[in-house]
Amino acid sequence: QSALTQPPSASGSPGQSVTISCTGTSSDVGGYNYVSWYQQHPGKAPKLMIYEVSKRPSGVPDRFSGSKSGNTASLTVSGLQAEDEADYYCVSYADNNILRVFGGGTKLTVL
Amino acid sequence: EVQLVESGGGLVQPGGSLRLSCGASGFTFSIYPMHWVRQAPGKGLEYVSAITSDGGSTYYANSVKGRFTISRDNSKNTLFLQMGSLGAEDMAVYYCARVYHYAYEYWGQGTLVTVSS
Repeated sequence: QSALTQPPSASGSPGQSVTISCTGTSSDVGGYNYVSWYQQHPGKAPKLMIYEVSKRPSGVPDRFSGSKSGNTASLTVSGLQAEDEADYYCVSYADNNILRVFGGGTKLTVL
Repeated sequence: EVQLVESGGGLVQPGGSLRLSCGASGFTFSIYPMHWVRQAPGKGLEYVSAITSDGGSTYYANSVKGRFTISRDNSKNTLFLQMGSLGAEDMAVYYCARVYHYAYEYWGQGTLVTVSS
């Protein structure tokens, strides 16, 4: 059981928007603006898409955006494209001696 | 170009030990915290361990605490993960990752650890 809760699957048609949630606690997601999101295609290493809740690294399309409300962070993918089909994971800093907590991952399908 | 290259994975018997390495290049290794993250076959990502830039502090997931040891050699730009008392639950691809702004900015390609008799 993962520390952060994500829906196992999400889907949308090309051009549509989809939002993936990531729910934690006040000790991780809710307490700090240190949530990051990763995209992983099959057989590949994960790729950073969003850091510090809503910041995009250089090279990540602005179709990807992040937000947070209370103990829940969200990743929104707008204008869905076929190449967005992948697994997405959220990660948060945690104020314990473990340091990081992961979501279980969401498989995004572009219909 | 930032590069992280893991090595040391392979087949190990249950109860055995293995040491993973992560060679870093293309950046000043000594100023970045580094983490290990693993992914069991067909499963999600799992945090394993973390180390501060100077190696002075280390952190572990509950699932590996007492069995794994993270370390680094900043003079050789290398991160290590010493793994012991390995079980089937440790079978995974192990990634090293560079941390920046509390996120995993760069990842290696991963090294596969297989635990089987």
